[in-house]
Amino acid sequence: QLQLQESGPGLVKPSETLSLTCTVSGGSVNSGSHYWDWIRQPPGKGLEWIGGIYYTGTTYYNPSLKSRVTISIDTSNSQFSLELRSVTAAHTAVFYCARRTTGGWFDYWGQGLLVSVSS
Amino acid sequence: QSALTQVASVSGSPGQSITISCTRSSSDFANFNLISWYQHHPGMAPKLIIYEDNKRPSGISNRFSGSKSGSSASLTISGLQPEDEADYYCCSYAGSNTWVFGGGTKLTVL
Repeated sequence: QLQLQESGPGLVKPSETLSLTCTVSGGSVNSGSHYWDWIRQPPGKGLEWIGGIYYTGTTYYNPSLKSRVTISIDTSNSQFSLELRSVTAAHTAVFYCARRTTGGWFDYWGQGLLVSVSS
Repeated sequence: QSALTQVASVSGSPGQSITISCTRSSSDFANFNLISWYQHHPGMAPKLIIYEDNKRPSGISNRFSGSKSGSSASLTISGLQPEDEADYYCCSYAGSNTWVFGGGTKLTVL
C-alpha cells in the first residue's frame, strides 16, 4: 500500500523559507504515470493546489505562488520537497503531499502537516 | 476566491439524498474538465471519491455519484449516513498542467 508522509518544522519565522519533505513508501516516485504534488489548507479555509513535479524533474506551479515556490524530487530516496520562500503569517497552513495520476486525480495523500508562521 | 464555486454548506437527514454543486465562476478559467471530488474529515487526509467527472475508485460506496454538464459539476450522496458528515471539495484541470479546487462544502448530517 502506497504511503506518503510529510515532514519538516512545524514553526517557521516570518521572512524565512518553509521547507517540507514528502517521503513515499510502498511504491516509487519513478513512475511515468504519476505526478507528485503539494496542496495546502490555511486554517478555516479550503484546499489550494501549490504545485507538482514529475519524476523527470519537470515542475508545475500555481501561478499565484510560482514566484516563491520550488518543488524538487529525489528519486533515489523516494522523496519530493517543497520550498516556500519569504513566508508571512498568511502562509500558515496544513500542507499535504499527494500523488496525482496523469488522468488528473489525487489518489493518495499524506496525513498533512501543520506549519505555523510566527516569530 | 476560487475559480470554482461551491455552496458553503448543505445538510440532510440520515437516509436522504443531497447534491453538492461545483460551478466554474471565472471567465478567465477556460478549462472545466477532469473533475474529481474529495471527502475531507477534519484532521485526516482528503479522500478521493469521484474522478473523471463520474467514476468511483475501488472501495467507494455507490451511494456517491458524480455528474457534469457544461460549466457545472455535481456530487450526489444518497442514503446519507452519519459518517458522510465531512467537507467536500471539487477539483478541476485549470490548463497548463495546473489544478484548482473549489472552496469546499461542509455537509452536516442532521
